[in-house]
Amino acid sequence: QQQVKQSPQSLIVQKGGIPIINCAYENTAFDYFPWYQQFPGKGPALLIAIRPDVSEKKEGRFTISFNKSAKQFSLHIMDSQPGDSATYFCAASKRRGSTLGRLYFGRGTQLTVWP
Amino acid sequence: DVKVTQSSRYLVKRTGEKVFLECVQDMDHENMFWYRQDPGLGLRLIYFSYDVKMKEKGDIPEGYSVSREKKERFSLILESASTNQTSMYLCASSPPRGAQNTEAFFGQGTRLTVV
Repeated sequence: QQQVKQSPQSLIVQKGGIPIINCAYENTAFDYFPWYQQFPGKGPALLIAIRPDVSEKKEGRFTISFNKSAKQFSLHIMDSQPGDSATYFCAASKRRGSTLGRLYFGRGTQLTVWP
Repeated sequence: DVKVTQSSRYLVKRTGEKVFLECVQDMDHENMFWYRQDPGLGLRLIYFSYDVKMKEKGDIPEGYSVSREKKERFSLILESASTNQTSMYLCASSPPRGAQNTEAFFGQGTRLTVV
């Protein structure tokens, strides 16, 4: 069973647009929610992460919005650029009280930003 | 600069062969992971290890085994390769439970083709 559900599967926007990628989870024990970015031929790399005690986190043009009651979180990319074209994965983990803190990944969103 | 190194970028193996995928990390991380990545399915966890000689099954362990004889090295073994194991394989490592964050660092991946 998919622990983290991600949508859409693919997304195409014009340069300067604001793509939004959404994720939902069921397990209320999750307490760490990262987003990973993957370029072709590379492994995923951490982009930005949030904990459930805040509703929003910004790092440069990237923002995570978190809705604890709805068990949803989303990634917004402001003023998107062609260089942002990549696959984005949301994830979740249980940091406290678990034996490991393994990450549960969504299925990914392939973002294309046209110039 | 942190580094997770996978021994091969591309491999072609025959059905029934025993295949070894090697991964080495230089960050002194306790946790190491093997994922496979397939289009539309995202990252699926095969096996993980939280200490030397320790291993845990992930979500899709069938047809695979692992070995962790040294802290920095985690090997994935396909006992008898089959065509449905053609995929991109990603190794990752992360700090242990209780660390400030559980960021996972990924290698560049091994694209395995079984013919």
